[in-house]
Order: sequence, then structure tokens, then C-alpha cells
Amino acid sequence: SQQGEEDPQALSIQEGENATMNCSYKTSINNLQWYRQNSGRGLVHLILIRSNEREKHSGRLRVTLDTSKKSSSLLITASRAADTASYFCATDEGSGGGADGLTFGKGTHLIIQP
Amino acid sequence: GAVVSQHPSRVICKSGTSVKIECRSLDFQATTMFWYRQFPKQSLMLMATSNEGSKATYEQGVEKDKFLINHASLTLSTLTVTSAHPEDSSFYICSAGRGRWVTEAFFGQGTRLTVV
Repeated sequence: SQQGEEDPQALSIQEGENATMNCSYKTSINNLQWYRQNSGRGLVHLILIRSNEREKHSGRLRVTLDTSKKSSSLLITASRAADTASYFCATDEGSGGGADGLTFGKGTHLIIQP
Repeated sequence: GAVVSQHPSRVICKSGTSVKIECRSLDFQATTMFWYRQFPKQSLMLMATSNEGSKATYEQGVEKDKFLINHASLTLSTLTVTSAHPEDSSFYICSAGRGRWVTEAFFGQGTRLTVV
């Protein structure tokens, strides 16, 4: 199965700055999702973007998807210390009509310096 | 939002024993549940997909006789790690999907398994 790859693997910025994380994948997808994981906790779904969408917003989050480049980016604006976490992209390669598991990337560990 | 409860959150067991992890969807019927494993500082790896009332589908390389999955009802799936070994120590997370089309996955809190 394919695996999304996020870059950078780790990112440290000052509070108030914007954080951008990228994700690349290899095959066709139905949708791409971004998840957040605080240390030792379960994943929290942040946002889903479908393959026919190019950009989506949710609060301080902005996600883009470029299917021609097989890449996505997650932008967190006006970062806060509480945004410190690991962020994973996940691709849904399901052929439709069924429930396929998601394929996750390795994640980006984001640290917001107060 | 949909709530998925996973229990226990932490468990320590001795080598050779079996451990059962439960995953419950509290406010919706989960036709499909997924079990993931996460090694330290690595991404989640899908272990198996279970549909209510049928046998689980295991990913390549996952031993089905070692990781027993039961999805007996629309709200409960269990993962039993049999004859646990220290290398089975890991973070296990379940997720539940609503309906036939999985457009969102709702995750449990995860279980930290340590085999000593």
C-alpha cells in the first residue's frame, strides 16, 4: 500500500507564526485527511479534502490539494502553544462502495515556542 | 461528534499471557472498525479491518492467529494479543467508521501495551 510522506519531520516556530506542513502520496486517492496527535493520545481528525477539491478552510487551518503533483499542505495560521502536536496526513485509496483503512504518513512533529 | 472508547488505556502484562483490548462506538453504529499499531515516532500502521459479523481482513505481515479480532456487534470490536512477547509492546489504536463509505474515521484513545 502507498504511504503518505510529510515534510518536514519536525518543525519548531514561534507562537503567532504560521506553520506549513506538506504531504506527498503516490497513487490515486478518494480523499486526503489530516489528523493531529497529542503525545500519547489518540488521533483527532482535523480536516478532510476530497480529490475534486483544491482548497479547504476550517478555523485557523487551511488545506490544499494538488492531485497533479500528488501533494497536500496543511497551514496553521497564528500558531499557539496548544498547537504543539504531531500532525499526520492520511489517504483514502478506497475504490468506493467499501470501507478501506486509511494509510498514514510518518507525521510532522510541530513545536510552538511560547 | 462521534465517540469511540478504547479500553484499557494502558496495560502491562507478562510474556506468554494474552491481552484483550476493547473498542466501542458509544453513540453510533460502527459497521467497520480498524485496528492500527504505532511504533514509537512512527506512523500508524493498519493491522486489520473488521466488519460486524464477519472475519477480519488482516494486512500483509500481520499474524491473524496472534492478533485475534472479534467484531461481534455494531458497537464493539476487540483485539486480543495472544501469547504476548516484548516485541508486541506498542501503541494500539482502533478507529470506527460510520456506514459503508468511510469518509471520516473516529479514533479511540489508544492502548499502550507493555509486555515484560
